[in-house]
Amino acid sequence: EPEVTQTPSHQVTQMGQEVILRCVPISNHLYFYWYRQILGQKVEFLVSFYNNEISEKSEIFDDQFSVERPDGSNFTLKIRSTKLEDSAMYFCASSERQGTELYGEQFFGPGTRLTVL
Amino acid sequence: AQKVTQAQTEISVVEKEDVTLDCVYETRDTTYYLFWYKQPPSGELVFLIRRNSFDEQNEISGRYSWNFQKSTSSFNFTITASQVVDSAVYFCALSETRDDKIIFGKGTRLHILP
Repeated sequence: EPEVTQTPSHQVTQMGQEVILRCVPISNHLYFYWYRQILGQKVEFLVSFYNNEISEKSEIFDDQFSVERPDGSNFTLKIRSTKLEDSAMYFCASSERQGTELYGEQFFGPGTRLTVL
Repeated sequence: AQKVTQAQTEISVVEKEDVTLDCVYETRDTTYYLFWYKQPPSGELVFLIRRNSFDEQNEISGRYSWNFQKSTSSFNFTITASQVVDSAVYFCALSETRDDKIIFGKGTRLHILP
């Protein structure tokens, strides 16, 4: 069964460093998402991405964040200069939504736990 | 504005008891989707169910059942004959069709005691 994969499973970085979290969505999916979950809190939407551009972003997704689909398979989230409060679990998701369909099931990856020291 | 409220922060029950997790939602849309996810200690999100706003039929899957009532904007989740393996955080969530981001509630941490 196809699944969303994420690497690494755990990333430790120093405050101020850049990190790139990687995701491989399900191959025929066209919509991609990042969500964040600070430890012990709810899962929060960060950004959605379709047709090589951001569809929607939340208030959390400020200028320190960027997303990219550098090739046909990967979808990345970059944090330019990490802060302590960026420590969280980051989930990637991809959707089978096609074109102008109103809805497509989102499939979540296992998450990357980011620890900023 | 869209919002999901899970008033129960933490619940503990003894194994084999039934337990109901409450979820109340707010939305402006007439077409929307409701979800339940399970997050075990390992951290991944496990999809349990999706319901669209036009389908108010209750759903049963093994020991799990869901009660969707549009009149009270609730989508409650019941585990029958709970087991220790049911211990996890459970999230109720909502997605409107105007955009497809999923809005999660704060979750209910469920402890099943042996």
